[in-house]
Amino acid sequence: DSGVTQTPKHLITATGQRVTLRCSPRSGDLSVYWYQQSLDQGLQFLIQYYNGEERAKGNILERFSAQQFPDLHSELNLSSLELGDSALYFCASSVDAGAQETQYFGPGTRLLVL
Amino acid sequence: DAKTTQPTSMDCAEGRAANLPCNHSTISGNEYVYWYRQIHSQGPQYIIHGLKNNETNEMASLIITEDRKSSTLILPHATLRDTAVYYCSHGGETGTASKLTFGTGTRLQVTL
Repeated sequence: DSGVTQTPKHLITATGQRVTLRCSPRSGDLSVYWYQQSLDQGLQFLIQYYNGEERAKGNILERFSAQQFPDLHSELNLSSLELGDSALYFCASSVDAGAQETQYFGPGTRLLVL
Repeated sequence: DAKTTQPTSMDCAEGRAANLPCNHSTISGNEYVYWYRQIHSQGPQYIIHGLKNNETNEMASLIITEDRKSSTLILPHATLRDTAVYYCSHGGETGTASKLTFGTGTRLQVTL
């Protein structure tokens, strides 16, 4: 158990819908990362937040957005969902946002778009 | 983004050492080499990381070549529970965010 929690574990929805994935980082961690893992693309970095501020952006679609709240939990919002958005979404956290921070991953949310 | 090359799959007998190679020829500056593993569809699990020197922890050893363009993860006594996909990555240069990019990884199968 990494100490990172994610809800829900599974999510089934239809195309065009909007969903929110939630992540609680390990106690004391200030940085949160979101990743998408699909069968054909491996693990892709989406976005990072540090202490409430966006720190780095990866391959995140404009239909996707995220935020980190004052209590440091984070939410990833996915809208206008497409079939291709079906994937595992992982959240990770680290103590800081610096160079050699170890990231601890949550168990993931499995999203299925029908 | 980090580009790494790893063998698609490897087999290892239980109790023997598993040596997993990774080429990261695009590594630059003071980027660190990271190794993670993923069992089934669980969240990736941190194993070890290093900069220039070899590193060892309770899980594994990391050998980084002098030119830092490749590394080897060593599981000294593999067990069935080490069966997983192993990913290497590099990043986290000073002043940048520690985003990780994983390739397709090496699927390690530990057998009796």
